[in-house]
Amino acid sequence: EVQLVESGGDLVQPGGSLRLSCAASGFTFTSYWMCWVRQAPGKGLERVSNINPDGSVLYYLESVKGRFTISRDNAKNSLFLQMNSLSAEDTAVYYCARDQGGGAMDVWGQGTTVIVSS
Amino acid sequence: QSALTQPASVSGSPGQSITMSCSGTSSDIGAYKYVHWYQQYPGKAPKLIIFDVSKRPSGVSIRFSASKSDNTAFLTISGLQAEDEADYYCSSYTSRSTWLFGGGTRVTVL
Repeated sequence: EVQLVESGGDLVQPGGSLRLSCAASGFTFTSYWMCWVRQAPGKGLERVSNINPDGSVLYYLESVKGRFTISRDNAKNSLFLQMNSLSAEDTAVYYCARDQGGGAMDVWGQGTTVIVSS
Repeated sequence: QSALTQPASVSGSPGQSITMSCSGTSSDIGAYKYVHWYQQYPGKAPKLIIFDVSKRPSGVSIRFSASKSDNTAFLTISGLQAEDEADYYCSSYTSRSTWLFGGGTRVTVL
């Protein structure tokens, strides 16, 4: 079964850091771009970051550039999102997703919740 | 960069057809075939229902169809069913090498 499972979401204080993880299974992880997408409470979807199969091409949403770092461990079929200098505006459910090509995300995880609050 | 523009809500009776729009610009929807649609139920992850303007992934109902004209994309649901009640998001690649989502359309089955 093709599956993505996120973990690492938590309550964190403003200015704090958090590392999200996404475990992939059931497909050839090294063949796909991978993405992080977030959804703030009651709001729409927002693509946060992408990474190509070998980790050499990265994309970041303008508002997270310099604060978030996407990475992957192909040996462990895992995707990561290191989030620093968090603010209340980063509060959201963060989804890990597989990009089947052209930006179309065909497999999604269940999401992990990040709450930034004092 | 502004999000793509979608109507906040669309409604219809069972069996009817509804169409929702997704408005962009000549730098996103108008320029690329990379226009996708997602369905999302409350509290659940989104699901890809249309990719590359009008293609349906395997397993997605043929009641879902889509197209684009100039800078606007359209999603049509035919034979509306209660299970279609959900939020629908469009997405497009842009000339700035970014991806935009629309704000989402809530579909209500009357």
